[in-house]
Amino acid sequence: GAVVSQHPSWVICKSGTSVKIECRSLDFQATTMFWYRQFPKQSLMLMATSNEGSKATYEQGVEKDKFLINHASLTLSTLTVTSAHPEDSSFYICSASRDRGNSPLHFGNGTRLTVT
Amino acid sequence: AQSVSQHNHHVILSEAASLELGCNYSYGGTVNLFWYVQYPGQHLQLLLKYFSGDPLVKGIKGFEAEFIKSKFSFNLRKPSVQWSDTAEYFCALNPYNQGGKLIFGQGTELSVKP
Repeated sequence: GAVVSQHPSWVICKSGTSVKIECRSLDFQATTMFWYRQFPKQSLMLMATSNEGSKATYEQGVEKDKFLINHASLTLSTLTVTSAHPEDSSFYICSASRDRGNSPLHFGNGTRLTVT
Repeated sequence: AQSVSQHNHHVILSEAASLELGCNYSYGGTVNLFWYVQYPGQHLQLLLKYFSGDPLVKGIKGFEAEFIKSKFSFNLRKPSVQWSDTAEYFCALNPYNQGGKLIFGQGTELSVKP
């Protein structure tokens, strides 16, 4: 079946540095990918919708200059956390679907980011 | 505003007990509805989904859910739980024609005692 791969699985970085997270759809083309954030013991919150070849759409309250999203191809979207701070420590999860919501959404395994 | 509410934050059951997890949503239009499960240390997995048709949908591992449009509900059920069902369960809403965007409920932690 369809698989979404996320890399890295976990990363530790120092405050002030930037971290890039990759999300790949392995056996299908994903025109749209989604980035979620999950704090411990809480639900997933949609951060942004990543559209291939165009600018991402950010949810209210999400800083687009801090969370840079690039969707350069139909199988790859990247999320870059710029100038990370300890409060950015979280679990970041991407998802992808083949079409506009009418097929099952597939989730990556997530990336655990710890900013020290 | 679009939202999903899961009434139970933590449910504790003994094996073989029946399970029902509540999920209500707020959205005036057509919706697709999902239940996901997250086992400890693992990623989200799809349990079942409702797009249209029969409001009673059956998923994997013996789970089912019923869409009641008049109540804006999509409760998850299982007649007899097992210890291996211990996990976090998330109800999610996809507003129709908004792509794959999902709005998640707060999640319900299920603990099944052997």
